[in-house]
Amino acid sequence: EAQVTQNPRYLITVTGKKLTVTCSQNMNHEYMSWYRQDPGLGLRQIYYSMNVEVTDKGDVPEGYKVSRKEKRNFPLILESPSPNQTSLYFCASYARRGSYNEQFFGPGTRLTVL
Amino acid sequence: DAKTTQPPSMDCAEGRAANLPCNHSTISGNEYVYWYRQIHSQGPQYIIHGLKNNETNEMASLIITEDRKSSTLILPHATLRDTAVYYCIVRRYSGAGSYQLTFGKGTKLSVIP
Repeated sequence: EAQVTQNPRYLITVTGKKLTVTCSQNMNHEYMSWYRQDPGLGLRQIYYSMNVEVTDKGDVPEGYKVSRKEKRNFPLILESPSPNQTSLYFCASYARRGSYNEQFFGPGTRLTVL
Repeated sequence: DAKTTQPPSMDCAEGRAANLPCNHSTISGNEYVYWYRQIHSQGPQYIIHGLKNNETNEMASLIITEDRKSSTLILPHATLRDTAVYYCIVRRYSGAGSYQLTFGKGTKLSVIP
């Protein structure tokens, strides 16, 4: 089954404790993205990657890092989490096919930083 | 970047057609209109996209005005499972063959029994 998986699905942590949210896709997609969703603000893009070793900032990259060492994986790293990073996070992937860019989203990771 | 405007909420009776409007008056000639929906706090789901012709698939129809400044997503027979937030998005080119989708606040559609 074609899918995007994220782990963990739920995480409660404390300020300053480094954490990584993993994202993996099995569709051989070139493009992957991370979004955060907050009440009243909609989905905002954090980082995206166009292929292995190629990443770029989205609209809200501060406080986050990413890496793309393999095509299928795109982990999101919070080196020193703060309470304002409490949010619902989504990973997405899509293939580059001309005009058609259907993004497949993961199930989401709900992060709480105390 | 082309911005979209959608009503914050709409109601629709179960079994009736749901017509969700979207204004995108600053859209450029080669920018596509995409529609996604998000059910509760699940990941957004692709519905349909188009450039200037009307499009139909198994989920919905997309009607784009001739001047491309607005569009309407039509769910022909809404069911309770169609209750969701619907996002109208103008896909923008971000360079190096990459396209970005900027999600706004969407329209919360409530299908009523």
